[in-house]
Amino acid sequence: DAGVIQSPRHEVTEMGQEVTLRCKPISGHDYLFWYRQTMMRGLELLIYFNNNVPIDDSGMPEDRFSAKMPNASFSTLKIQPSEPRDSAVYFCASSLLTEAFFGQGTRLTVV
Amino acid sequence: DQQVKQNSPSLSVQEGRISILNCDYTNSMFDYFLWYKKYPAEGPTFLISISSIKDKNEDGRFTVFLNKSAKHLSLHIVPSQPGDSAVYFCAASVRNTGNQFYFGTGTSLTVIP
Repeated sequence: DAGVIQSPRHEVTEMGQEVTLRCKPISGHDYLFWYRQTMMRGLELLIYFNNNVPIDDSGMPEDRFSAKMPNASFSTLKIQPSEPRDSAVYFCASSLLTEAFFGQGTRLTVV
Repeated sequence: DQQVKQNSPSLSVQEGRISILNCDYTNSMFDYFLWYKKYPAEGPTFLISISSIKDKNEDGRFTVFLNKSAKHLSLHIVPSQPGDSAVYFCAASVRNTGNQFYFGTGTSLTVIP
């Protein structure tokens, strides 16, 4: 398996624009997580899914953030409208029983 | 509220010496603990884990110690190598209530040749 695949690797957008981050988890994994990495909070869990169903979205910072998992092999994290304070590295991870496996992340810059 | 804390943002160690990275947690329900290593521009990669039924787990140069009464775990790297220079995250979960992982803020380790 190629591991968790995220796209794009880098995204630069203007404030107010919609941003969509994409993730393909490892085949067979039934948990999918979206994390945001910041200096202040480290790896902050935004939302996670089990069998494509959102389980806990309490980490989503505002209503501007939304996430979907239409099937077992694809998930999106959308920010609309984006703001400069959303600039961070966003990671997707998947797991089955034990540890989580991370993608390489999307570095988002909102100018 | 940060349930997993790494109070040392950075650590420098001479090559060949021991590196000790520390982590504290507040939730006594956590029963599974992990350490991840992260290089720049890459995602975190799993390093080693420990279940709450154990107090020590060893894998080569890496050993994780768990002190449940103190809600503290540590990662020992012996001997430290320059390739170990990375950011290390500790994480914790409550396995029978889902697979949610809580991460600390990370410790940046620099191993000086």
